[in-house]
Amino acid sequence: NAGVMQNPRHLVRRRGQEARLRCSPMKGHSHVYWYRQLPEEGLKFMVYLQKENIIDESGMPKERFSAEFPKEGPSILRIQQVVRGDSAAYFCASSPSQGFVGNTIYFGEGSWLTVV
Amino acid sequence: QKEVEQNSGPLSVPEGAIASLNCTYSDRGSQSFFWYRQYSGKSPELIMFIYSNGDKEDGRFTAQLNKASQYVSLLIRDSQPSDSATYLCAVRSDKLTFGTGTRLAVRP
Repeated sequence: NAGVMQNPRHLVRRRGQEARLRCSPMKGHSHVYWYRQLPEEGLKFMVYLQKENIIDESGMPKERFSAEFPKEGPSILRIQQVVRGDSAAYFCASSPSQGFVGNTIYFGEGSWLTVV
Repeated sequence: QKEVEQNSGPLSVPEGAIASLNCTYSDRGSQSFFWYRQYSGKSPELIMFIYSNGDKEDGRFTAQLNKASQYVSLLIRDSQPSDSATYLCAVRSDKLTFGTGTRLAVRP
């Protein structure tokens, strides 16, 4: 997972506040994925983005959650009006373009969100 | 039916033994298959990927893929206590879909 940078690593928010999680993909990677992992559970897909495009957001909750990957700068996962159930580890992963089935996907070290 | 299925375990093997981890998937259009290892409180670490039928070996690890049976496995030879972790199978069509993982415990 070297090269995929996530920050902050740990974030504490009170209920009702906003959480912003940032992800810079590996150099040369143009695809970003966000996953959520609740305690003792598996990785759940949230959203898949290319630069300036959302490719698949089928795993995103309908409300309060949004994601972007602007032309310049990191990808951002934004959670508005956080609730305790949003407490989880949020992982970002990146890969090169889709052209080759052998392209690997690498994960960042994660951002742990705690809602108090 | 879950998209990617794994036995949650725990799978317990003695040190030095072969650990065999299995995974089945439902989407026949899946193109590539990944095994990740995750230690508690850490992020997933890529071990291997495979996209052609057959075996692929890397050190102590061998991934096996059978697309007709929609089955992928990971063998770990000469298991070490440091291999004790959760092993995640992931399948890629457009997005990467994970199984819930199998916990492996290697007994010294």
